[in-house]
Amino acid sequence: DQQVKQNSPSLSVQEGRISILNCDYTNSMFDYFLWYKKYPAEGPTFLISISSIKDKNEDGRFTVFLNKSAKHLSLHIVPSQPGDSAVYFCAARYSGGGADGLTFGKGTHLIIQP
Amino acid sequence: DTAVSQTPKYLVTQMGNDKSIKCEQNLGHDTMYWYKQDSKKFLKIMFSYNNKELIINETVPNRFSPKSPDKAHLNLHINSLELGDSAVYFCASSLRGGNTEAFFGQGTRLTVV
Repeated sequence: DQQVKQNSPSLSVQEGRISILNCDYTNSMFDYFLWYKKYPAEGPTFLISISSIKDKNEDGRFTVFLNKSAKHLSLHIVPSQPGDSAVYFCAARYSGGGADGLTFGKGTHLIIQP
Repeated sequence: DTAVSQTPKYLVTQMGNDKSIKCEQNLGHDTMYWYKQDSKKFLKIMFSYNNKELIINETVPNRFSPKSPDKAHLNLHINSLELGDSAVYFCASSLRGGNTEAFFGQGTRLTVV
């Protein structure tokens, strides 16, 4: 039972354009959401996060939007750069649940084309 | 200066063997985790450990056991390795509670032959 879903296994975007990665979740207890970036043979690296009390969080070229009623979040990368090519994982947790870790989606492989 | 480090990076071993993967974090975090990324690239929590409180994902076989000598270390022991245990294992750490991110190690690719 996938509680966090990333329905696009891959996404190809031209350099300089906007990349939009989507994520849906089913567990309404989740109240903290994160995006991780992963290069081959490396561990996931934290990118940006958002609390459920917000609907937007911005950090440089990266913006995460949260639509709680739709249980949907998205990551926008503007402008996309070649170094952004990686697998992006959406993750969620219930902050009141103690040390029970993150629930991850399956990831979206973002390919930035020159 | 690596924040979360795990060793070895690659581990090839035969079925039936017992092996360990070590993890250390220098971030002062109070909670550590082990995740497994299987062949379908799913990252799934195996264990989380905080102040001697161990939370186990019920799908993890009891051949897997975490051992924490202190707050900065959480090692993963695997007994009687099986072919299906082949995967990439990631260690991570975070602060418990609140809205904080987890930091991951570089992963250990375990291959059971």
